[in-house]
This record gives sequence, structure tokens and C-alpha cells, in this order.
Amino acid sequence: DIVMTQSPDSLAVSLGERATINCKSSQSVLYSSNNKNFLAWYQQKPGQPPKLLIYWASSRESGVPDRFSGSGSGTDFTLTISSLQAEDVAVYYCQQYYTPPSITFGQGTRLEIK
Amino acid sequence: EVQLVESGGGLVKPGGSVRLSCEASGFSFSDYNMNWVRQAPGKGLEWVSSISSSSLYIHHADSVKGRFTISRDNARNSLFLQMHSLRAEDTAVYYCARDRIQWGPDAFDIWGQGTMVTVSS
Repeated sequence: DIVMTQSPDSLAVSLGERATINCKSSQSVLYSSNNKNFLAWYQQKPGQPPKLLIYWASSRESGVPDRFSGSGSGTDFTLTISSLQAEDVAVYYCQQYYTPPSITFGQGTRLEIK
Repeated sequence: EVQLVESGGGLVKPGGSVRLSCEASGFSFSDYNMNWVRQAPGKGLEWVSSISSSSLYIHHADSVKGRFTISRDNARNSLFLQMHSLRAEDTAVYYCARDRIQWGPDAFDIWGQGTMVTVSS
């Protein structure tokens, strides 16, 4: 299975500042035939299910604020929140879907307000 | 409104069985691959099982293989997870989730609220 490793495990950022979460896969999740990275990002708030933010590493899901962006390719990926809002406090997960059905998630990054 | 609603969770004794259900509404259920994902208390997300739209392809994580069975009834817009030989480590919130596009693989765009399964004597 592909192992997904996120860093840091937790992060505290001031309101209005940039938050950056990293995700590294143990092997490339870039599919060469279509040049797509099979990588997604989710946000999970307490007591709620995960919410899809980003798919194909950089495509924003409908309705997701544009302060959320995804980047990276191959094995190294980043989720960036350009200007942190109070409602962004959550745990964030990356997920690879390159090797279905063995889909794997990162361990999660807890984002808090400094 | 596109929605998934799980049911069937509860307290189960070790070695026991339980069947989870997930009822879909607001979209053409029979067109989408579906999944179960679980989350142990205070832990991260773990993919459990997936089933293709026509039930032709079925897969389970190694941790549940031989004990859990995913199935679906497209006429009833329902997804199921039959769980046998339950262990304490199966204690988790179980979510059903939809593949984002009809021809995967893809991310999971719609999630239910989850149903809690607690395995304890």
C-alpha cells in the first residue's frame, strides 16, 4: 500500500495568516497517461464527516472558498489556506486514490488558531 | 438534496455481527461506485470496502477481509456492510461515501454523517 505522511501533525496559525500542510506519498501518484495526480484533500470538523476540498491535487471542489488551494505532483503535495479564518479550524487529511481499491489517507493535521 | 444516511450501528459483543445500511437520495445511486470508510475514536480515516456501480467489482481492506461484506441494492438506493466476527479494534464511526465521478477512481465527494459501532462485552 502507498503510505501517506502528513506534516506537521498539528499547526497553529494566526487569523488572516497563511497555513500550509504537507503530504508525502511513499510512491508517485501521478498517472502518466493523463498527467493527473490521484490526490485529494479533506477537511473534518469535530462531530462532522470529512468534506472534500481538493481533488486531482489542485482542483477545488464546488463551493469551497478560493482561499483553499492544492499544489504539488508525484510524491509531494501541499494544501494552502491563504488567509486563515476561524471556521477553518479542523483536521485536514490527504488521500491517494492512485491504487484503487487500496485507497489510503494521511494521518491528519490538526489546524488551530494561534 | 444529495444525501447519504447511515444506520444500523450500536453496541455489539466481540465475535458478534451487525449490518450497516446507507440510504442514498438526490442522485442516481446506480451510476456511482460506493465506499465504506471508518474512523476509530480520536483516530484517522481508514478505507474499509468499495463496490462498483453494478456490484461487479468488490474490494475489502486486508483488516476486514473475510469478516466484512459490502453489497448494494440499486432498486432501493441502498448500500450495506455486513460485519461478522467483530473485534474491539473494529470500534469506529462508519461512513458511507460516494466516488465523485461515475467512472473512478476518484475522490469521495459525498459522505454520510456516520454510524457508530462499538464492540465491547
